[in-house]
Amino acid sequence: QVTLRESGPALVKPTQTLTLTCTFSGFSLSTSGMCVSWIRQPPGKALEWLALIDWDDEKYYSTSLKTRLTISKDTSKNQVVLTMTNMDPVDTATYYCARTRSSGGSCYLPDYWGQGTLVTVSS
Amino acid sequence: QSALTQPASVSGSPGQSITISCTGTSSDVGGYNYVSWYQQHPGKAPKVKIYDVSKRPSGVSNRFSGSKSGNTASLTISGLQAEDEADYYCSSYTSRSTLVFGGGTKLTVL
Repeated sequence: QVTLRESGPALVKPTQTLTLTCTFSGFSLSTSGMCVSWIRQPPGKALEWLALIDWDDEKYYSTSLKTRLTISKDTSKNQVVLTMTNMDPVDTATYYCARTRSSGGSCYLPDYWGQGTLVTVSS
Repeated sequence: QSALTQPASVSGSPGQSITISCTGTSSDVGGYNYVSWYQQHPGKAPKVKIYDVSKRPSGVSNRFSGSKSGNTASLTISGLQAEDEADYYCSSYTSRSTLVFGGGTKLTVL
């Protein structure tokens, strides 16, 4: 059974750095073809893909947010961490992590999602 | 990477069929058969309904089907049911090895 759970602060102040942790079970990020994505959704708005890390520690980022994001993994703990610097009120959103399947080495299908964690950016 | 283009809303009566379009470019939808569709009910995480353009995960009703022509993918839901009322998002792999989502479509079952 695949499960994922996001954890982190519910409230951050503008300019601060956000650190979110995705703890998962039911699969291993050391298995070829496995990846984990971070995706966010502002209240009442659309999904936005943020970043991805694969079994080989390759990392990919949203073009528009690349300078602010860092994704990393701890395979032994079954965790993926996302940091986002210089937080702004427009970054208020529910942040999801999702197991992402690959084909031919390309990670492309977020198939199992966590429940999401709401992060509010406010002073 | 610009979001894929979806209609903001669609509606249909129970038993009818509806189709939601998802338009991208040759760098995403048109370039790969890695288009997925997600259903999201209020307050819930998205669930995949279609992947690889037209494949259904185990357990997903065959009332859901997907297709693609050029840079536009489509999701069709036949035999509409009240439980189908939700937001729907398309997603595609891109030439930059990233993912992109559509702007979302709100489906109302009249």
